[in-house]
Amino acid sequence: QVHLVESGGGVAQPGGSLRLSCAASGVTPPHSGIHWVRQAPGKGLDWMAFMHYEGSGISYTDSVRGRFTISRDNSKNTMYLQMNSLKPEDTAIYYCVHGESYAFHLWGQGTQVTVSS
Amino acid sequence: QTVVTQESTLSVSPGGTVTLTCGLTTGSVSTTNYPSWYQQTPGHPPRTLISTTNIRSSGVPDRFSGSILGNKAALTISGAQAEDESDYYCVLYMGNYIWVFGGGSKLTVL
Repeated sequence: QVHLVESGGGVAQPGGSLRLSCAASGVTPPHSGIHWVRQAPGKGLDWMAFMHYEGSGISYTDSVRGRFTISRDNSKNTMYLQMNSLKPEDTAIYYCVHGESYAFHLWGQGTQVTVSS
Repeated sequence: QTVVTQESTLSVSPGGTVTLTCGLTTGSVSTTNYPSWYQQTPGHPPRTLISTTNIRSSGVPDRFSGSILGNKAALTISGAQAEDESDYYCVLYMGNYIWVFGGGSKLTVL
């Protein structure tokens, strides 16, 4: 049974940084990984980034490539989303999602990120 | 830039059948896009309904079904119930570890 625990949200100023964490347990690495998906207030879901639990698969949507970096610490079973050069339009709930076989199978509870001066 | 399209709003009568679709502004949706569907109610994370075109997630009622209809992915709710009133999102795999969500459909049951 996969279990995800997110942390690290909060308030940042424009141009600032935040790091989100997603602790995952019960995962089965082959053909699976972690996605980050965000939802701005009153808006739809927006896929941000993906990383395989092991192996080489890392990807980003165009709007965050170069500003956001996804990484992992295998010793802690934790994935991270480092968000730099934050903009007000990055304000959203950020979900960590366990992905398997090209779908989003288990969603975390979400963590709020607010970018405001 | 390819955009994933969904109906903005739909309505269905209780007990009725409704089909939500998920298309592409350029090209057709196929099984190699591995379409999946998610249900979301306000204040809650999404719930996974359907993966890989037509595989129901554990615990999802069998009134929800997924398919490819013509050049789009489809989510059909047969025998809609009041609790099905939600936002529904599809997502398509575009290759190279890239996924794109549709804009979502708001379903009203009335």
